[in-house]
Amino acid sequence: AQTVTQSQPEMSVQEAETVTLSCTYDTSESNYYLFWYKQPPSRQMILVIRQEAYKQQNATENRFSVNFQKAAKSFSLKISDSQLGDTAMYFCASPYSGAGSYQLTFGKGTKLSVIP
Amino acid sequence: KAGVTQTPRYLIKTRGQQVTLSCSPISGHRSVSWYQQTPGQGLQFLFEYFSETQRNKGNFPGRFSGRQFSNSRSEMNVSTLELGDSALYLCASSSGQGPALSYGYTFGSGTRLTVV
Repeated sequence: AQTVTQSQPEMSVQEAETVTLSCTYDTSESNYYLFWYKQPPSRQMILVIRQEAYKQQNATENRFSVNFQKAAKSFSLKISDSQLGDTAMYFCASPYSGAGSYQLTFGKGTKLSVIP
Repeated sequence: KAGVTQTPRYLIKTRGQQVTLSCSPISGHRSVSWYQQTPGQGLQFLFEYFSETQRNKGNFPGRFSGRQFSNSRSEMNVSTLELGDSALYLCASSSGQGPALSYGYTFGSGTRLTVV
């Protein structure tokens, strides 16, 4: 079984500031991946950043970085120098293997608003 | 290379009707997954197809079905539509195999289905 929990339904941040979105998870997988997806009003889910659980180093992609705490099962996303284009829904997700294939389990999402 | 293409973008149907949605994955990707997104339930896994075979199915009634063609294009069908089927239906494409999953899934922009 697998669960992904995002406890912040909505957040806002001033342009150029830093914001952190929280995610906790529970998984029965021995090796797993974690993703953050962004869904702007255009509706397309865009992969922001990914983390492989067996790698201790936190992933970084330009202004986006994660704080991966494996023991605590926590996977937070930090957005630095926030831009207006970062306004979107953000989903934490992890693939779960069941019945011979994978499916993504998503959190409920965090709606991020960047304020000019 | 071309992304994941979903058609149509919007659809309005009447209760009791049936509907077919289409998804063309990224060239070379053999796995297509479908997700339903609603404000109340969030993102829920419908099913996954790999090389024309359904590998996994979520907890949805039998009114929801799908198929995949030899060119990896996939369709999902919903029969006897209910008001509660109103949702954004997202299709995700991946290579569908092992380590490649670490690169995540590529999503289309979805089909917004409204049942009246």
